[in-house]
Amino acid sequence: DAGVTQSPTHLIKTRGQHVTLRCSPISGHKSVSWYQQVLGQGPQFIFQYYEKEERGRGNFPDRFSARQFPNYSSELNVNALLLGDSALYLCASSLGSDQPQHFGDGTRLSIL
Amino acid sequence: AQSVTQPDIHITVSEGASLELRCNYSYGATPYLFWYVQSPGQGLQLLLKYFSGDTLVQGIKGFEAEFKRSQSSFNLRKPSVHWSDAAEYFCAVGEVGRALTFGSGTRLQVQP
Repeated sequence: DAGVTQSPTHLIKTRGQHVTLRCSPISGHKSVSWYQQVLGQGPQFIFQYYEKEERGRGNFPDRFSARQFPNYSSELNVNALLLGDSALYLCASSLGSDQPQHFGDGTRLSIL
Repeated sequence: AQSVTQPDIHITVSEGASLELRCNYSYGATPYLFWYVQSPGQGLQLLLKYFSGDTLVQGIKGFEAEFKRSQSSFNLRKPSVHWSDAAEYFCAVGEVGRALTFGSGTRLQVQP
């Protein structure tokens, strides 16, 4: 069975640009969460969606937004990119509220 | 607010030696606890989880962890380390299916 898939795997942008990252959860999983992992640190929670509704939001600026589609896939959007947005962006999915999260391999975003 | 502390940034052990990675948490209620492993350039793989019940939990790859409420700890152990165990290890706390709070990670190096 396919795991959590994320695209693209790598991305290079310049300051001020906009980026969209995509995530497909494990088949049957209805919950998707996004995390940012800066080099040398643990992942930081950005958003969580369940059944297309936002269930949680971390301490990130409004430049960050996300949505979940009817097929449970998800997009993370970041506007007005800053150098500090350079990081590995991880998507995780879970079957439901009583199941652990499973992570994809992430999208490595570099801002020049 | 919940938090996780992994006191050891970097640990080096010899192949075949035993391993213990420390994790201390702060959480207002009964915690759900997780250990994840991350190889370079990859996402996080779930090693084991504690929800309730037996405080000694078994995971994949021969890892185990013990939940000690009195010490607010959830240390990861392995009796005999293999070279392939070299990676970054993250402890996390949170509600199942909701946002996870991660520690800053412990990088494990295995000497031949």
